[in-house]
Amino acid sequence: DVKVTQSSRYLVKRTGEKVFLECVQDMDHENMFWYRQDPGLGLRLIYFSYDVKMKEKGDIPEGYSVSREKKERFSLILESASTNQTSMYLCASRRDRGAVDTFGSGTRLTVV
Amino acid sequence: AQKVTQAQTEISVVEKEDVTLDCVYETRDTTYYLFWYKQPPSGELVFLIRRNSFDEQNEISGRYSWNFQKSTSSFNFTITASQVVDSAVYFCALSGSYNTDKLIFGTGTRLQVFP
Repeated sequence: DVKVTQSSRYLVKRTGEKVFLECVQDMDHENMFWYRQDPGLGLRLIYFSYDVKMKEKGDIPEGYSVSREKKERFSLILESASTNQTSMYLCASRRDRGAVDTFGSGTRLTVV
Repeated sequence: AQKVTQAQTEISVVEKEDVTLDCVYETRDTTYYLFWYKQPPSGELVFLIRRNSFDEQNEISGRYSWNFQKSTSSFNFTITASQVVDSAVYFCALSGSYNTDKLIFGTGTRLQVFP
């Protein structure tokens, strides 16, 4: 069964900390995505990557960066966490354009 | 611009009732895809259906059915004889032909099915 794994289910970090959220897929997919989910706002795209070492900004990239050194791993980085980055973060991967996204279970991040 | 509107924030029904979740979309693309995803309490989004813009046939899968109407830019989802296990947040999403890298999600509808 195909799988997208997010390393942490829950995280609590302090304001100003550098935070890494990890996502690994075992499907050899080209495309990977990071979303954040907030009540009343649905899912919003932060960054995506269509190949190793390639990245594209999504709709809300401010305050975030990403890294894709290997095909299976896509990391979301909060350079200096702030309380307004408290959210649920969802990673997804997709084989190619028009294919269906497979999502991870999410990481609920709280910044205090 | 592309947009997906799910006007129903929360719906509560009693088991065995039928329930329809509304989805209205906006796009200038002539070719696009529409999706429904289910998010149970576990958090993972589960794919339910994908429909491309040239296929307006309604689809039925067990107790689930989807009504796609281009004339009203709607892609509604009906659950027949709802069950407690259907309780979840349901998202409608859209991707366009020119930018199929991005999924545009609606804000979701929380469905609660009571026994």
